[in-house]
Amino acid sequence: EAQVTQNPRYLITVTGKKLTVTCSQNMNHEYMSWYRQDPGLGLRQIYYSMNVEVTDKGDVPEGYKVSRKEKRNFPLILESPSPNQTSLYFCASSLGSGGADTQYFGPGTRLTVL
Amino acid sequence: EDQVTQSPEALRLQEGESSSLNCSYTVSGLRGLFWYRQDPGKGPEFLFTLYSAGEEKEKERLKATLTKKESFLHITAPKPEDSATYLCAVQPTTSGTYKYIFGTGTRLKVLA
Repeated sequence: EAQVTQNPRYLITVTGKKLTVTCSQNMNHEYMSWYRQDPGLGLRQIYYSMNVEVTDKGDVPEGYKVSRKEKRNFPLILESPSPNQTSLYFCASSLGSGGADTQYFGPGTRLTVL
Repeated sequence: EDQVTQSPEALRLQEGESSSLNCSYTVSGLRGLFWYRQDPGKGPEFLFTLYSAGEEKEKERLKATLTKKESFLHITAPKPEDSATYLCAVQPTTSGTYKYIFGTGTRLKVLA
């Protein structure tokens, strides 16, 4: 089954404790992206990657890191999480043709930073 | 600045009562406009992609249309299972970037 998977689905942590949220896709997609979703603010793009070793900032990249060492994986790293990073996070992937490709979303990771 | 605005924020309809959701956008150039459906606690699910003004797409009770400034999602004779949040997103043609910009969504509730 074609899908985007994220782990963990739920995470409660404390301020300053480094964490990684994993994202993997099995559709051989070039483009992968991370979003956060907050009430009243909608989905906001954090980082995206057009290909292996190629990443770029979205609209809200501060406090996050990403890496793309393999085509299928795109982990999101919070090196020193703060309470304002409490949010619902989604990973997405698409063909990456350079055109307006459909994004396919993962199930989400609900992160709480105390 | 590229921007997407959706209205209304929330909408309650009786089963069978048709209506439209609006997505207004301001971009320097449009690569594509997308509609997604999102159920509570789940990831967005793709509905439609529109590329140019005048384009229309249909799927069951949903029909999406596009002009140079806005898109509409028309819902004909909705059923309770159509209750969800509907998200609009655009991909601008800003040189060298491949960002997606989402609106804040319209929460639709269809009452039986």
